[in-house]
Amino acid sequence: DAKTTQPNSMESNEEEPVHLPCNHSTISGTDYIHWYRQLPSQGPEYVIHGLTSNVNNRMASLAIAEDRKSSTLILHRATLRDAAVYYCILRVLNDMRFGAGTRLTVKP
Amino acid sequence: DGGITQSPKYLFRKEGQNVTLSCEQNLNHDAMYWYRQDPGQGLRLIYYSQIVNDFQKGDIAEGYSVSREKKESFPLTVTSAQKNPTAFYLCASTFQGQPQHFGDGTRLSIL
Repeated sequence: DAKTTQPNSMESNEEEPVHLPCNHSTISGTDYIHWYRQLPSQGPEYVIHGLTSNVNNRMASLAIAEDRKSSTLILHRATLRDAAVYYCILRVLNDMRFGAGTRLTVKP
Repeated sequence: DGGITQSPKYLFRKEGQNVTLSCEQNLNHDAMYWYRQDPGQGLRLIYYSQIVNDFQKGDIAEGYSVSREKKESFPLTVTSAQKNPTAFYLCASTFQGQPQHFGDGTRLSIL
């Protein structure tokens, strides 16, 4: 079973920031927090991952709570191409379990 | 470019027939995975393989079989024992804890 909890859906306006939350209250010290996104009829695409510290890359930022029981994926300026299902996953070594994710709708 | 190739993109199966989905990677990744996705749902793990000639069942392995004779290849057979095989099948690979790379999937339907 997935060990993360995400809202089923969220909406955003184009060019505004988006904060996608994820709860993982049972996280252990060795679990990495990974985020993927999936466009319709495509395989998931890696977005970002982290362990304890906040992380930034060209796609997004990942903010991790100090107790690591929650995290937030931040898209700084949403575009229509960011409309997708976003998955928050806890990873231990090569073991990953996907939940239902959050469906992000971006309105022009 | 390196990547994962799944074929065919669309596949149709008759009742009582086994079908094999292909997954090939040229990323030199050790670990490979098969997932099933039903409409509006997340991915569920069918089988995974950490090294050649070794594989483990995932959460929904019943009615499926795999082989891993080469590092590059991890074919999935959907047997006639899988009573509800219509789904989107995704293959992925990874190396030493790095992010998983996914193929573009195979959509299987029953005639």
